[in-house]
Amino acid sequence: AQKITQTQPGMFVQEKEAVTLDCTYDTSDPSYGLFWYKQPSSGEMIFLIYQGSYDQQNATEGRYSLNFQKARKSANLVISASQLGDSAMYFCAMRGSSGGSNYKLTFGKGTLLTVNP
Amino acid sequence: NAGVTQTPKFRVLKTGQSMTLLCAQDMNHEYMYWYRQDPGMGLRLIHYSVGEGTTAKGEVPDGYNVSRLKKQNFLLGLESAAPSQTSVYFCASSYPPSGRPQETQYFGPGTRLLVL
Repeated sequence: AQKITQTQPGMFVQEKEAVTLDCTYDTSDPSYGLFWYKQPSSGEMIFLIYQGSYDQQNATEGRYSLNFQKARKSANLVISASQLGDSAMYFCAMRGSSGGSNYKLTFGKGTLLTVNP
Repeated sequence: NAGVTQTPKFRVLKTGQSMTLLCAQDMNHEYMYWYRQDPGMGLRLIHYSVGEGTTAKGEVPDGYNVSRLKKQNFLLGLESAAPSQTSVYFCASSYPPSGRPQETQYFGPGTRLLVL
């Protein structure tokens, strides 16, 4: 079974500062993918960034980067230079590679980020 | 390109009523999914489909049925709604993830369902 844990129900950050959202995972699959999604108050799910378990480098997408520590089973999202529009719920998710889990995404419970002006 | 669309956006039902949620995608994706999102629970998979005419159970399938008669559409049915089914329902679609590990799922805007 796969499990995603996001231990921070809520986080606050000052505008223009960096913030790290924590995500730890558990899986027995030999390879897997980790995803982060953003859900603003309007409700849609927006894909942010992907990290493969065998990727040599940490993923980056603009102001988003993923601090992937495979031995610790953590995949923390780093948002640099926070903006007011970054205020949203953030979900970490995993997709495994075994037959029963190579299609589905397992989600964490999310972290609500509030960016203060 | 509309992406993934969901109908309706919001609905109120009485306990015992039935309804169907419609999901449509125009990206020619093989895989389609229905999730529910409850406060503090993240998204949980209800049912999914790996192709036209096929469906399978996800993590929380009880009380729901699905059909995939056309590749672009995935219907979620509630035969006898219960208050516990009050939730936000998301449809998603994707290409088969095999060989494309970075392939994300594309989500619809969600349907808010309130069962009284």
